[in-house]
Amino acid sequence: NAGVTQTPKFQVLKTGQSMTLQCAQDMNHNSMYWYRQDPGMGLRLIYYSASEGTTDKGEVPNGYNVSRLNKREFSLRLESAAPSQTSVYFCASSEGMPLYEQYFGPGTRLTVT
Amino acid sequence: AQSVTQLDSQVPVFEEAPVELRCNYSSSVSVYLFWYVQYPNQGLQLLLKYLSGSTLVKGINGFEAEFNKSQTSFHLRKPSVHISDTAEYFCAVSLYTGNQFYFGTGTSLTVIP
Repeated sequence: NAGVTQTPKFQVLKTGQSMTLQCAQDMNHNSMYWYRQDPGMGLRLIYYSASEGTTDKGEVPNGYNVSRLNKREFSLRLESAAPSQTSVYFCASSEGMPLYEQYFGPGTRLTVT
Repeated sequence: AQSVTQLDSQVPVFEEAPVELRCNYSSSVSVYLFWYVQYPNQGLQLLLKYLSGSTLVKGINGFEAEFNKSQTSFHLRKPSVHISDTAEYFCAVSLYTGNQFYFGTGTSLTVIP
């Protein structure tokens, strides 16, 4: 099992460009999440999907959109990238909420210039 | 509102010495508690979790944590650290009735030879 995979691993964007971060899990988990990690701020939840077909905003959703394509895949889209979105992005999945542990992908390091 | 406070951003400790990483939380409802570890350039991995029952929980790699409801704390301990324990450690909570995880800002543990 690959667990949680994310693509790409690294990305550099210019301000105003758009891109989609891809995430897939092969553990048949119901719930999936997108976080960003910034120095001194820990992990902050951007969006989550409690189950296939549902998505909800987390703590910092502005500037992002998500799609739960199917049970395996959960993508994060930046429509018009800004330097403030320079961060490391992590996707995670869990069997459900709230007491199940989350399994994390390796992360995507995004730089917006 | 929920919050998770990790009081120490950096903890240096000599090899084979004991260590305690502190975590306090605030919540108006009951919570589940977690500790995750992040090695350099990797995603997060679960160390241990408290769901209910005994307040002392044991995790992987010799770590343990104690839930103290009256002090709303969940401190992580290890009696003797190794070089390989050098990593970032995150405390997290999820609410009994919620769908989100809340992470602390992390504690960077550096084990000195």
